[in-house]
Amino acid sequence: NAGVTQTPKFQVLKTGQSMTLQCAQDMNHEYMSWYRQDPGMGLRLIHYSVGAGITDQGEVPNGYNVSRSTTEDFPLRLLSAAPSQTSVYFCASRKARALSYNSPLHFGNGTRLTVT
Amino acid sequence: AQKITQTQPGMFVQEKEAVTLDCTYDTSDPSYGLFWYKQPSSGEMIFLIYQGSYDQQNATEGRYSLNFQKARKSANLVISASQLGDSAMYFCAMRDQGAQKLVFGQGTRLTINP
Repeated sequence: NAGVTQTPKFQVLKTGQSMTLQCAQDMNHEYMSWYRQDPGMGLRLIHYSVGAGITDQGEVPNGYNVSRSTTEDFPLRLLSAAPSQTSVYFCASRKARALSYNSPLHFGNGTRLTVT
Repeated sequence: AQKITQTQPGMFVQEKEAVTLDCTYDTSDPSYGLFWYKQPSSGEMIFLIYQGSYDQQNATEGRYSLNFQKARKSANLVISASQLGDSAMYFCAMRDQGAQKLVFGQGTRLTINP
């Protein structure tokens, strides 16, 4: 069972370039999300989705787009990379049940992105 | 609004000692969940333990236990008989019933000395 798979593990971009971070899960989880982790700031939510065709913004959505065409996949697009987007990005998923507050997030292994 | 506070940026503990990592939280929702995650130097986020706001007993998972004091809004992680492999960053997080996001604290870096 693969769980949550993120690709690539490392990426270096030049300012202004675009790219897509891939995320796939095989646990049939309804909820998927993207976080970024920066030193001293913990993890902050970028975007999330509660099911195919439904996405919403988190705390820090600017500069990122998402779509959810299938239950399994939730790609994150950087439209025009900036040095401020240098970070570690995590994709995470969970069951979205009625009592959703007791369902833990399952994380991918992260993507380390550097924008020069 | 949900908020998580971890006041210990770093802790150093001798191997085999017990260690307590502090976490306080704030929410106005009576239904919420508290989570602890471990992030070793390899970078992955590992789910350790969960405590629900209505749970009568403190959660335990192997060497991990959660000291849940609801009136004080604290959810401290206790690791018994620490091991070198416990050296990592530890994050406390919460989600209440009304929110879709898991809110994280700043983390505590735990170092276990031999």
